[in-house]
Amino acid sequence: DADVTQTPRNRITKTGKRIMLECSQTKGHDRMYWYRQDPGLGLRLIYYSFDVKDINKGEISDGYSVSRQAQAKFSLSLESAIPNQTALYFCATSDPSERIPRDTQYFGPGTRLTVL
Amino acid sequence: DAKTTQPNSMESNEEEPVHLPCNHSTISGTDYIHWYRQLPSQGPEYVIHGLTSNVNNRMASLAIAEDRKSSTLILHRATLRDAAVYYCLQGGSEKLVFGKGTKLTVNP
Repeated sequence: DADVTQTPRNRITKTGKRIMLECSQTKGHDRMYWYRQDPGLGLRLIYYSFDVKDINKGEISDGYSVSRQAQAKFSLSLESAIPNQTALYFCATSDPSERIPRDTQYFGPGTRLTVL
Repeated sequence: DAKTTQPNSMESNEEEPVHLPCNHSTISGTDYIHWYRQLPSQGPEYVIHGLTSNVNNRMASLAIAEDRKSSTLILHRATLRDAAVYYCLQGGSEKLVFGKGTKLTVNP
């Protein structure tokens, strides 16, 4: 079974709808991240969480919110989806106590979101 | 903003070595250099990382310039499965900043 899973894998929705993307991990890592990727561009950090009580904004948090329900679960919400939020979304985890390799990030398979 | 500079694309032939360059002229003394790659239709995966010394692992080698302002990821014998986008990142790995990376094409 995959260590980092994302649901759904694909989603088509309409402008104005509320959408939740979910991420679960079995790696036991405290740190979790949400990124988005647009065609031809690198990944941009939306939100990150270093533990259940710690949530931080990334470089593009506007229009998004997150919830860290447990160590293993980190959800990303789009309160009112808009077409320019159409992108590929990735969840990642890391463990700062890892010595080698140091705090490597492990990514999920991604969720392809289309907002019409 | 991405702090590293990489060529947009490179090509290689199968079973030949590939040298992927990266410039990170603003790197600080405590910043690590990380390399990730993203295979088609997958999330990024860790390749290698280093601080000052050259590093080797089962996937690749990392050669770091003495002034640490540049590095080179070396794939010793490219295979078709190595075709991917390769990202070079610097800094604290808590907040990795991904640029556009280098798209590597491997020709049979």
